[in-house]
Amino acid sequence: AQSVSQHNHHVILSEAASLELGCNYSYGGTVNLFWYVQYPGQHLQLLLKYFSGDPLVKGIKGFEAEFIKSKFSFNLRKPSVQWSDTAEYFCAVNINQAGTALIFGKGTTLSVSS
Amino acid sequence: EAGVAQSPRYKIIEKRQSVAFWCNPISGHATLYWYQQILGQGPKLLIQFQNNGVVDDSQLPKDRFSAERLKGVDSTLKIQPAKLEDSAVYLCASSLAMDRAYEQYFGPGTRLTVT
Repeated sequence: AQSVSQHNHHVILSEAASLELGCNYSYGGTVNLFWYVQYPGQHLQLLLKYFSGDPLVKGIKGFEAEFIKSKFSFNLRKPSVQWSDTAEYFCAVNINQAGTALIFGKGTTLSVSS
Repeated sequence: EAGVAQSPRYKIIEKRQSVAFWCNPISGHATLYWYQQILGQGPKLLIQFQNNGVVDDSQLPKDRFSAERLKGVDSTLKIQPAKLEDSAVYLCASSLAMDRAYEQYFGPGTRLTVT
């Protein structure tokens, strides 16, 4: 069965520190990849997505992610975090066929101290 | 554009009681999803509808969970009887069509506590 692994359960950073959250998936075929964010008390919202083309994708709020096919990875990065980035981050995969839903990782809680 | 609406936002029940959740997707969205998010985990798909038909309910515990989308718009998810392990946030999401599953919009969720 397809699965998504997020390596870090809880990450604590100071403002201006760089962020990298790991995500690996298990599926040999073509996938669409996503990072979702859930700020405290808010809905899940899409941060960025990768379908094809340039493996380095840029999302909202200065986030970017790099798809490395050989490593089945889609790590999320931000060069300088802000206090407002405190949230839970979910990596998700959608198998590139019509009708398949999202498969989520367990999530990483990011706490940024000012 | 109005988002996905869910109610209630919070619900506390005792085990063996029944509960129902309601979801109103974004207007025009044919595909509707119910996810269960247990504390400390990512959302897990329970059931997926295309209009009023079920596309995938392979992870729905059918002995106690049921869901319907009778007119292809609103949907209800029911648990009867509830167990302690059903405590979770129940998320509803919708997308324009099945082949737009990559573009899902999530509601605020219903937080269920079973005591």
